[in-house]
Amino acid sequence: GQSLEQPSEVTAVEGAIVQINCTYQTSGFYGLSWYQQHDGGAPTFLSYNALDGLEETGRFSSFLSRSDSYGYLLLQELQMKDSASYFCAVRDYDTPLVFGKGTRLSVIA
Amino acid sequence: NAGVTQTPKFQVLKTGQSMTLQCAQDMNHEYMSWYRQDPGMGLRLIHYSVGAGITDQGEVPNGYNVSRSTTEDFPLRLLSAAPSQTSVYFCASSYSIPGASQPQHFGDGTRLSIL
Repeated sequence: GQSLEQPSEVTAVEGAIVQINCTYQTSGFYGLSWYQQHDGGAPTFLSYNALDGLEETGRFSSFLSRSDSYGYLLLQELQMKDSASYFCAVRDYDTPLVFGKGTRLSVIA
Repeated sequence: NAGVTQTPKFQVLKTGQSMTLQCAQDMNHEYMSWYRQDPGMGLRLIHYSVGAGITDQGEVPNGYNVSRSTTEDFPLRLLSAAPSQTSVYFCASSYSIPGASQPQHFGDGTRLSIL
């Protein structure tokens, strides 16, 4: 089976940088994904890491360390619209994508 | 572009009733899945399908049935609704099994209440 751990809540100031961590335990590993979900909305895909290192997409970056079973999502130049829930997700050899319980990010002025 | 379409958007049922949540995608995706989302629990996989005629169970399959007769449609059936099935249900699709590199496209969800 799999387990994913991420903080339940994070608060950050507009314009700042925030990091949301995710640790995982899986039987085999294909990669780590991140999804964003605004209140009342559907999850949307943000990023994906299969190999160690940092992937950058605009203000968002995602990092993976396979040896540490750890990744994080980095949000820069925070905007109020970034207030949302963020989910890490993994796929292992036995199961399609499994999601963490989510981190609720609140951006304050 | 419709993407993933779920119907209905809202539904209230009585305990013991049955119903079918509809999901259709127009992107010719092979992989489709159903999740339920409860407060503080994230998204939990109910059932999934890797192609027409092929389905499999996810983390929380009890009380739900699925079928995949066409590539486009993947309905979720509640056999005998229970209050514990009150949740928001999301259907998702992708070109292949979402090995992280395959982003899943989600429908807008069905908000289901069972009294």
